[in-house]
Amino acid sequence: QKEVEQNSGPLSVPEGAIASLNCTYSDRGSQSFFWYRQYSGKSPELIMSIYSNGDKEDGRFTAQLNKASQYVSLLIRDSQPSDSATYLCAVKISGGSYIPTFGRGTSLIVHP
Amino acid sequence: DGGITQSPKYLFRKEGQNVTLSCEQNLNHDAMYWYRQDPGQGLRLIYYSQIVNDFQKGDIAEGYSVSREKKESFPLTVTSAQKNPTAFYLCASYRQGSSEKLFFGSGTQLSVL
Repeated sequence: QKEVEQNSGPLSVPEGAIASLNCTYSDRGSQSFFWYRQYSGKSPELIMSIYSNGDKEDGRFTAQLNKASQYVSLLIRDSQPSDSATYLCAVKISGGSYIPTFGRGTSLIVHP
Repeated sequence: DGGITQSPKYLFRKEGQNVTLSCEQNLNHDAMYWYRQDPGQGLRLIYYSQIVNDFQKGDIAEGYSVSREKKESFPLTVTSAQKNPTAFYLCASYRQGSSEKLFFGSGTQLSVL
C-alpha cells in the first residue's frame, strides 16, 4: 500500500516568515513528486514538481527532495496571507499510467 | 480557453437515488480521473480512464460507476449503493510530457437530503 504522509496542521506562521511543509512517502519506487495548493472550496493547482534529489526553486517556492530518506518538502519564503491554503503532496511511481497518490494535506495559515 | 468543466457545482441526493456528475474537457487529454475529497482529507481515487471506452477502478470504486464514450467526457454516477456519498468530487485530466500535471475541474459538492 503506497502511503504519503503529511502533518495535517494547521501550520501557523507570521507574514514574511518561511513556511516549511513536509511530506514522507513509503514507496521507494516513487520517481515524481508534486506540490499542489488548494484554497478552501476550490480545486487543487500545481505549484511545484520535482524529480531529482536536491532543491528546485521557483520564485518564493523551493521544493526539496531526498529519496534516500523518502521525504519531500516545500519551503515558502516571505509568506503572505494569500499563501494561506492547504498544500497537498502527491507522489507517483515511475512508468505506467499517471496515478499519483496524494497525502491528506497540510493547512497553512499566514497571519499578518 | 481550454479546461475542465464540472457540473453541477452543488448536488443533493435523496436516499435510494442515483445521481450523475458531469465532467467535460477540451484539453485533448487522453487520461481522466475522478477523486473524492472529504473534509480535512486528501484526494482519494475513485476511477480513472486512460483511453476512450476503457476505465479502471481506483481505491474507492464501490458504489460508483463511470463511462468513457467520448474523449472529452467522463461522467461519474453515484449509485444508491454508496451509503456515505457526501463529499467534494473532483474531476481531472492529465497532461503528459516534461511538464506533466493534473488539470482539475472546479468540483461538485454532493450532499444527502
